Amino acid sequence: KAGVTQTPRYLIKTRGQQVTLSCSPISGHRSVSWYQQTPGQGLQFLFEYFSETQRNKGNFPGRFSGRQFSNSRSEMNVSTLELGDSALYLCASSFTTGEKLFFGSGTQLSVL
Amino acid sequence: QQQVKQSPQSLIVQKGGISIINCAYENTAFDYFPWYQQFPGKGPALLIAIRPDVSEKKEGRFTISFNKSAKQFSLHIMDSQPGDSATYFCAAGGLSGTASKLTFGTGTRLQVTL
Repeated sequence: KAGVTQTPRYLIKTRGQQVTLSCSPISGHRSVSWYQQTPGQGLQFLFEYFSETQRNKGNFPGRFSGRQFSNSRSEMNVSTLELGDSALYLCASSFTTGEKLFFGSGTQLSVL
Repeated sequence: QQQVKQSPQSLIVQKGGISIINCAYENTAFDYFPWYQQFPGKGPALLIAIRPDVSEKKEGRFTISFNKSAKQFSLHIMDSQPGDSATYFCAAGGLSGTASKLTFGTGTRLQVTL
């Protein structure tokens, strides 16, 4: 069974631009969560989607948004990028909105 | 109230020794406590998890000890091996009706020496 796939693996953007990250969950998993990982703040919850509906949202500004498609694939978007948005963005899937999160390897975003 | 405090920040253990990492939480509404292992360049991988209705859970060389009254839980890695060298994160979840929204500790970098 293929794991969680995140694309792209690396991304370089400049301040003010926007970016879209993609996540394909494990086959059969309907819940997708997104986390931001930085050396300073650690792992922080962004949002969770289940059956195309956002179920939970973390304490991030509205510039961070996401969506989930009918095939459970998910995208997250960050608009008006700031230097502080440089981070590893991790996607995790689970069968339902429950335990056993399976994480992808992440997208490393660098904002210059 | 939703913090999870993890210690130590780094740990060096000899091969065959016991690695112990501790975490403390504040919010008693948390009801799911997983431990994740992360290698460089990879996402975190679930190691073992516990619910507050049990005080200990063991899976292979990994054991979680849970103290509900003290709001603390710890990971013990028995017979530590060089391949265990990684960063370990404790987490707490269960708020908002889902275990997918996890509050993570700050991580412990474990190095197992020969």
